[in-house]
Order: sequence, then structure tokens, then C-alpha cells
Amino acid sequence: SYELTQPSSVSVSPGQTARITCSGDVLAEKYVRWFQQKPGQAPVLVIYKDTERPSGIPERFSGSSSGSTVTLTISGAQFEDEADYYCYSAVDNNNKVFGGGTKLTVL
Amino acid sequence: EVQLVESGGGLVKPGGSLRLSCAASGFNFSDAWMNWVRQTPGKGLEWVGRIKSKTDGGTTDYAGPVKGRFTISRDDSKKTLYLQMNTLKTEDTAFYYCYTEDSSGWYEFDHWGQGTLVTVSS
Repeated sequence: SYELTQPSSVSVSPGQTARITCSGDVLAEKYVRWFQQKPGQAPVLVIYKDTERPSGIPERFSGSSSGSTVTLTISGAQFEDEADYYCYSAVDNNNKVFGGGTKLTVL
Repeated sequence: EVQLVESGGGLVKPGGSLRLSCAASGFNFSDAWMNWVRQTPGKGLEWVGRIKSKTDGGTTDYAGPVKGRFTISRDDSKKTLYLQMNTLKTEDTAFYYCYTEDSSGWYEFDHWGQGTLVTVSS
């Protein structure tokens, strides 16, 4: 089965920049969504179409894309940003896939 | 306000069946492509499958681990999505989320239910 590769964990201090990558060959052709998930809650969309930020999501969240790698950047990470983050994309016209998830620790 | 409310989860024995429902409101359900996503407690998200809108063919697609055992259907008159799960295995134990997104990927339309827990155990 197809996989999107994310680092299992990222740690930053408050106010620092956190970068979470997601890699996969299809990402050169397909858009990515990024989700934030806190314990006991459903995922929340933080980036769509690789770089677009939904309404209500803080400006410190941004996305970028280069070839087969997309990156979620949190500029000036806050304690409340501590969560699991997942990338999500289409594999082809019929299937979707999530990355394995990245645990962001802000300490 | 968009709402997706799952129901039907519970404890079932291996080899058994269960049907989940997802009641939708606050958006044009009949035009939406609907997904099921699952998450084993403490693990990552896994796409289970999707059903397109009837105007787009109403076809279904499934992830490999559930193909042939799970069936997604919809009743647009009731604004309800279903997931029929047969021949359940212990590895199907998970929270099951109902999820809808913009089918083109271009827009931020994106909504999740709160999930329902399915436990497969003898």
C-alpha cells in the first residue's frame, strides 16, 4: 500500500519555528491537507491545497511544497500547538492516504 | 452549522458484523463526497473508503485492508451515510469517523464527526 512519510516526532521550544515534513512521490502531482489532532478530539484542518490556511486558523500556520515533499511550518509555536499532525493526500483518482503522523512537543 | 454525528459503534466478536451510521446536517449532503476514516486508539489515522455523490456516479472506493468486507452506502433522503462492516477482525478495532471534504481539494470545506468506537474482541 502507498505511504506518506512523516517524522514520528518534532520538538521545539515556545516561540521557535516547527517544521513537519511529508514525503511521497504523488505529492508532486496531488494537493495535501494537514490536520491537527489533540487527544480525545477529531482532527482539525490547518492547511489545504498545500499552502492555503482555512479561516480561523492562526497565521503562524503555513504550508509549502517542493517536488515530492510538503512542509507544515508553525512560526512561533505556542503551547497550545502541541498535538499530532497528519498530512493527507490522494494516491490516485480512487484512493486517499494519511501520513503516519508527527507528534509535536512544545516545551 | 455543519454537523456529522456517528452512531452504531460497540463491542462485536471476531467474524461478526456491525453497521455504522452518520447523520449529516448543515450542508448539501446529496452533493457531498463522504468518507470513513478510522483510528486505532493511540495510533494514526487511516482512510477507510469513500462514496461519491450520485451526480458524480455514486461509486465507492476502499482501502486495501477492508476491501471486500466493508460497504459504504448513502441515503440522501435521510442525509445519512452508512458503513456496513462484515467479517470483522480484531485489527478493525478503532474509532470510526465520518468525514467530508471538498472533492476537488481546492476549497477549505472540511468536516469531521466526533467518532464512534468499534471494539472487535471475543
